[in-house]
Amino acid sequence: EAGVTQSPTHLIKTRGQQATLRCSPISGHTSVYWYQQALGLGLQFLLWYDEGEERNRGNFPPRFSGRQFPNYSSELNVNALELEDSALYLCASISSGTTYEQYFGPGTRLTVT
Amino acid sequence: AQTVTQSQPEMSVQEAETVTLSCTYDTSESDYYLFWYKQPPSRQMILVIRQEAYKQQNATENRFSVNFQKAAKSFSLKISDSQLGDAAMYFCAYRSAVGNQFYFGTGTSLTVIP
Repeated sequence: EAGVTQSPTHLIKTRGQQATLRCSPISGHTSVYWYQQALGLGLQFLLWYDEGEERNRGNFPPRFSGRQFPNYSSELNVNALELEDSALYLCASISSGTTYEQYFGPGTRLTVT
Repeated sequence: AQTVTQSQPEMSVQEAETVTLSCTYDTSESDYYLFWYKQPPSRQMILVIRQEAYKQQNATENRFSVNFQKAAKSFSLKISDSQLGDAAMYFCAYRSAVGNQFYFGTGTSLTVIP
C-alpha cells in the first residue's frame, strides 16, 4: 500500500510569488492535514480537510489556503510569499472514523528567497 | 484548546542505555488518544507508539514504552537499549476522541552517543 505522497520535494520561490504544494493521502483516507515546520520549531497546524470540506485552520494568515479534491488529494497554496514562509510543509492523512494516528508524507521543503 | 508540552528541547543518551522523554498535556476531556512520533534526519515522520486514555495499561512496542499518568496528564516515552538509529526528533501528540483535531508538542531532539 502506497503511503502519503507529496510533491514537489523541494520548491524555490521568490518573495511575492505563489507556491502550490500537493498531497495524496493513503488510499481510503478521507482526511488531510497540513503542517508547517520551520527550522528549529515544532509542527504548526495549518489546515485540515475532510470529505472535501475545510474543517479547521490554524493561526495563519488568509494567504495560506487550500482545497481537497474529490479523490481526497489536497493542495496547499501560499500567496504573496514572504521569507518567513521558508519551511518544511508536511501533509498527513487519516481514515475518517478511525481512532488512530496520522500518517505523514515526506514533506515539501519550500525556500523563499 | 488542548496544549501539549515537551519541556526537554534536547536530550542525549549513551548507546545501549535508557532514556525517558517527557510530555505533559492539558485537557478537560476524559477520553482521548496520545501518540509519540519520531522524525529522523531524513524527515519522514513515523509513529512510535500510541496510547488510548481509557486503557490503564501502558503501551509497549519492543524497546519503546510509555508511562501514562492520566491524573497527572503526563505521557513519557522510555527508550530502552538505545541504538544509533533512535537519534531523531520526537514529538508527543494528542487527539481528542471527539473529532479529528491533533495537537503536537514542540519536540525533543534525541542524540545517541556511540
